[in-house]
Amino acid sequence: DVKVTQSSRYLVKRTGEKVFLECVQDMDHENMFWYRQDPGLGLRLIYFSYDVKMKEKGDIPEGYSVSREKKERFSLILESASTNQTSMYLCASSLGGNRYEQYFGPGTRLTVT
Amino acid sequence: QKEVEQNSGPLSVPEGAIASLNCTYSDRVSQSFFWYRQYSGKSPELIMSIYSNGDKEDGRFTAQLNKASQYVSLLIRDSQPSDSATYLCAVDIDRDDKIIFGKGTRLHILP
Repeated sequence: DVKVTQSSRYLVKRTGEKVFLECVQDMDHENMFWYRQDPGLGLRLIYFSYDVKMKEKGDIPEGYSVSREKKERFSLILESASTNQTSMYLCASSLGGNRYEQYFGPGTRLTVT
Repeated sequence: QKEVEQNSGPLSVPEGAIASLNCTYSDRVSQSFFWYRQYSGKSPELIMSIYSNGDKEDGRFTAQLNKASQYVSLLIRDSQPSDSATYLCAVDIDRDDKIIFGKGTRLHILP
């Protein structure tokens, strides 16, 4: 079974802090994705990566950056957290190619105060 | 803007009945279609994927795809209270590795 893990289930940070969210997958998937999910807005893609050291902007990249130094690990960075970044953050991975399903981690609920 | 549309619900269905969830999409070249189930406070879980017109069955779940009409549906037979969740439809776009998600339909199975 595909396993996608995220570093924290719940996280509380203060405005202006730098925040790191880590995601690890164990199935040698090429693609990894970061989404945020908010009530009424659904899942929105922040960044994704096709390969190590490659990244592509999604629909809402502002205020975020990512890092993929190893194939199995994809990190989301909030350079200076703001209250409007309070959300559920979901990491997903998939094999390369658009016919392949995405598998999600358990999510990190981030609260910025 | 390519979109995936779902009725937000809630859709209430008696236990044991068939639940029918629908999804329409705007991109005519989409080739891959997925249904995810998401329980409250949890992450989405893949239920079904479908790539060809017609029906695909897996246990109590049947996915139906009609590319000409640009809709995909999910039928749940013999609905159980444990099926109460939000169901997300997802569709590939632009022939790349991204998929776009609908906002989901909340399903409530009445005991």
